Amino acid sequence: KQEVTQIPAALSVPEGENLVLNCSFTDSAIYNLQWFRQDPGKGLTSLLLIQSSQREQTSGRLNASLDKSSGRSTLYIAASQPGDSATYLCAVSTGFQKLVFGTGTRLLVSP
Amino acid sequence: GAVVSQHPSWVICKSGTSVKIECRSLDFQATTMFWYRQFPKQSLMLMATSNEGSKATYEQGVEKDKFLINHASLTLSTLTVTSAHPEDSSFYICSATPDWVLAGRSSYNEQFFGPGTRLTVL
Repeated sequence: KQEVTQIPAALSVPEGENLVLNCSFTDSAIYNLQWFRQDPGKGLTSLLLIQSSQREQTSGRLNASLDKSSGRSTLYIAASQPGDSATYLCAVSTGFQKLVFGTGTRLLVSP
Repeated sequence: GAVVSQHPSWVICKSGTSVKIECRSLDFQATTMFWYRQFPKQSLMLMATSNEGSKATYEQGVEKDKFLINHASLTLSTLTVTSAHPEDSSFYICSATPDWVLAGRSSYNEQFFGPGTRLTVL
């Protein structure tokens, strides 16, 4: 059974810092990995999707990497801003469209 | 494009009543939709896969008679929580897979998420 773990569970940083969120999964047989953002009481916003054949994806200040063989992914956020405060979820696709979500990292960026 | 809506955004009901939550794909057709639930400070757990015109597929441990799913059209799936109890209080989120993804016209397995419905059972 696929299990997805995210470390740290919570993170508080001052504005401007670069930070790394970690995601690990137990079964390397995945179709893709996605990073989502969730604001309190809201749905999900997809940030980045990495196909199993890819190593990384970039969007603006966000960079996600994938090491499928070791079961790890990282989300790098450059020059963090208070607006980045949210919960970040990673999810792996174990079958067509079936997602297994991680436990999330709650990020707080203070001005 | 690719917007998914849910209604209601929040609902409070008495124990023993039934509650219906709607999930709509506003600008695309979706043969397949998914229902997730999320308890406070926990991650999303897939409850079931909803397929237009056929029975839903439920994940292990999810009571199909308690969580009724109807996918009556290519843009609408409904989740009915029957005889709700306080332990059913949760955040329910749906997602939809555009038919262009199913047809293989996209290199990405996109699915788009609704804003969620907060259910509180008193």
